[in-house]
Amino acid sequence: EAGVAQSPRYKIIEKRQSVAFWCNPISGHATLYWYQQILGQGPKLLIQFQNNGVVDDSQLPKDRFSAERLKGVDSTLKIQPAKLEDSAVYLCASSSAGSQETQYFGPGTRLLVL
Amino acid sequence: AQSVTQPDIHITVSEGASLELRCNYSYGATPYLFWYVQSPGQGLQLLLKYFSGDTLVQGIKGFEAEFKRSQSSFNLRKPSVHWSDAAEYFCAVEGNNDMRFGAGTRLTVKP
Repeated sequence: EAGVAQSPRYKIIEKRQSVAFWCNPISGHATLYWYQQILGQGPKLLIQFQNNGVVDDSQLPKDRFSAERLKGVDSTLKIQPAKLEDSAVYLCASSSAGSQETQYFGPGTRLLVL
Repeated sequence: AQSVTQPDIHITVSEGASLELRCNYSYGATPYLFWYVQSPGQGLQLLLKYFSGDTLVQGIKGFEAEFKRSQSSFNLRKPSVHWSDAAEYFCAVEGNNDMRFGAGTRLTVKP
């Protein structure tokens, strides 16, 4: 069974630029999550989708971050414009149902904002 | 909102020695608790989880954890550590579809 795929694996941009990350969850998984993991910290949930609807985006900085999950499969997370403090690893995870089910994580996208 | 505290930032143990990683949580109701491991450059992998029932939970790779409601703790244990266990370990609590992670404990294994 293929795992959660993410791309790119690494990205370096300058502040005020925009960037997008892509996630392909495990086939058949209804729930998809985006996390931000700043160096030295645990992952922080940014947004949770159930199929193509948003379940929780309370910690998403909506003035600059946006995410979508068209057709309830792949998802993209965008930052526009990026700030220095956005430097982090962005993790995508998926689960078969709600968050009580096991979440399977992708390898993450490491973002460096200069 | 729920929260998780992992008091130990870094722990070093000798290979073959026992291990205990501490986790304390704050949540008003019965929590769903998890332990994840993250190896360098890798995504997080679930070691074990607790929802209800037996308070001693067995996981993969020889790990176990014990839920103690009176102490609001969910400590991770392993009787004999292997060099391949060196990684970052995260405790997490889930409530109301909101997963919160601790800051992690980095485990170093000495030969």
